Amino acid sequence: DSGVTQTPKHLITATGQRVTLRCSPRSGDLSVYWYQQSLDQGLQFLIQYYNGEERAKGNILERFSAQQFPDLHSELNLSSLELGDSALYFCASSVEGRAYNSPLHFGNGTRLTVT
Amino acid sequence: AQSVTQLGSHVSVSEGALVLLRCNYSSSVPPYLFWYVQYPNQGLQLLLKYTTGATLVKGINGFEAEFKKSETSFHLTKPSAHMSDAAEYFCAGSEPNSGGYQKVSFGTGTKLQVIP
Repeated sequence: DSGVTQTPKHLITATGQRVTLRCSPRSGDLSVYWYQQSLDQGLQFLIQYYNGEERAKGNILERFSAQQFPDLHSELNLSSLELGDSALYFCASSVEGRAYNSPLHFGNGTRLTVT
Repeated sequence: AQSVTQLGSHVSVSEGALVLLRCNYSSSVPPYLFWYVQYPNQGLQLLLKYTTGATLVKGINGFEAEFKKSETSFHLTKPSAHMSDAAEYFCAGSEPNSGGYQKVSFGTGTKLQVIP
């Protein structure tokens, strides 16, 4: 058990809809990362937060947004969903944002299916 | 910028045989390198991480990785494959982003199949 909790585990929704994915980081971890994993794109970095502040953006679409709350949990919002957004979305956390040898601790992911 | 390249998207070995999964990194001083494993329907788990100055890094489940600066490689090995090792393995590299925060880049992954 990594200590990172993601909900829901599975999500099935229709094109055009909006969903929210939730992540609770490991206790004591201040940094949260979001990744998208799909068969054709592999593991893609979306966005990173540290102690409530956005610190890095990767290949995140404008239809997607995220935030990290004062209690350090994070939410990833996906809107105007398209079939191509179907993927596994992972949240990961690490102790702090500037320890480059800190491993990431991953949740078990949310599997999003857009029909 | 740090990046990692994994050679071979699929590797098949017989049970009991040597496992060798390849990872090369782009030059960066110092390199911060990791190996992760992903079992079906699960998130990534840390197998091991490189420690500055080490040449051989031991991880969990009998895996180890050899750091070779001259070859810019960080290959993952296990002397004897077990059926339970069937999974996808990711090499990763870490470096500061433009704001000084940790940026982690993952390789494309290698799926290991273990044949009984």
